[in-house]
Amino acid sequence: EAEVAQSPRYKITEKSQAVAFWCDPISGHATLYWYRQILGQGPELLVQFQDESVVDDSQLPKDRFSAERLKGVDSTLKIQPAELGDSAMYLCASSFVTLNTGELFFGEGSRLTVL
Amino acid sequence: GEDVEQSLFLSVREGDSSVINCTYTDSSSTYLYWYKQEPGAGLQLLTYIFSNMDMKQDQRLTVLLNKKDKHLSLRIADTQTGDSAIYFCAESRVNDMRFGAGTRLTVKP
Repeated sequence: EAEVAQSPRYKITEKSQAVAFWCDPISGHATLYWYRQILGQGPELLVQFQDESVVDDSQLPKDRFSAERLKGVDSTLKIQPAELGDSAMYLCASSFVTLNTGELFFGEGSRLTVL
Repeated sequence: GEDVEQSLFLSVREGDSSVINCTYTDSSSTYLYWYKQEPGAGLQLLTYIFSNMDMKQDQRLTVLLNKKDKHLSLRIADTQTGDSAIYFCAESRVNDMRFGAGTRLTVKP
């Protein structure tokens, strides 16, 4: 069964360091999402791509976070510099069509711990 | 605070029914979803309901939607220990999906 692949599964870093997460969506899924899930809370959208274009990045802290999906397939989310409050699970999801008509398929997430 | 609200904890005995409740805010949401998250894993879609429906049944799962009160519930019949997880209610928006904080279901043998 097709899955959304994410790496690394776990990342421990010190504050002020740079971190990067990678996501490979299900083949053929045009829409890709990055969510942040703080412990004890639900996921919150950081950025949404339709193919290689950003649809919504209004909740992305652009002073330190960046995301790209250059060829419209896999995507990278970067944090530089990392802060203590960035400790969270970073979830990637994809869907075949834009939201409101289809299901989101989630990867297993990348858990970030900032010391 | 969360726009989608859920109680945080629910504990039931194996074999009993579980009912997880959710209230949402956007009356224009087209779809409402229930996702399951097991420890250390991503979210898995359990079921969803279209906003013009009142009820949807899928094996042990029953979803009830009260659109007037913006209330959604998930009933799990004959709850098993493998159902222990966090359950998230979510509402669809135009370009986003808004999640509740999740209800941690504990099933005791």
